Amino acid sequence: DIQMTQSPSSLSASVGDRVTITCRASQSISSYLNWYQQKPGKAPKLLIYAASSLQSGVPSRFSGSGSGTDFTLTISSLQPEDFATYYCQQSYSTPQYSFGQGTKLEIK
Amino acid sequence: EVQLVQSGAEVKKPGESLKISCKGSGYSFTSYWIGWVRQMPGKGLEWMGIIYPGDSDTRYSPSFQGQVTISADKSISTAYLQWSSLKASDTAMYYCARRSRIAADAWGQGTMVTVSS
Repeated sequence: DIQMTQSPSSLSASVGDRVTITCRASQSISSYLNWYQQKPGKAPKLLIYAASSLQSGVPSRFSGSGSGTDFTLTISSLQPEDFATYYCQQSYSTPQYSFGQGTKLEIK
Repeated sequence: EVQLVQSGAEVKKPGESLKISCKGSGYSFTSYWIGWVRQMPGKGLEWMGIIYPGDSDTRYSPSFQGQVTISADKSISTAYLQWSSLKASDTAMYYCARRSRIAADAWGQGTMVTVSS
């Protein structure tokens, strides 16, 4: 099984801050890494796929990078609507598309 | 517009059976894999398995193999997740999601399943 580990598990930040969330895979997954945003009571929403490709309609303040085992999601300037929980997911190992444990982004 | 619409919330007793649904519209339902994701109360996301409605090729994550059954009826563009004997530990929100390229790009609204005596 491929294990996905996110850090930090929670994060406090202010509107306008630059924020980075890290995701590490237990083995190389090439660029088969996706990022999702989930707000309370809502379904997850795809932000970034294939490590660095921005999903259509997602603001450009979101970006992703990395390959192999280490990946990052960056929000360049936090907006009030960005406070949510973020999950990484590997889609290298079919059908076990495992997720990270999540990073809860809260308002400071 | 791509849409996945799931069936409504369920309250069941331990040992009962259940089948929940996910109806796709706005795209070719037979051309994309549909996955199911579990989210237990206050917890993270777990990928359960995936089905290709075009030929019903189905694959399960090891943790869910034998615990649930995933199926699809392409004639009505609907995927299903079913249990033969529910346990209290099956209490969770269940999401269906369409896999496009390598990610889940469209999600259902979720079906809350509560199992309690």
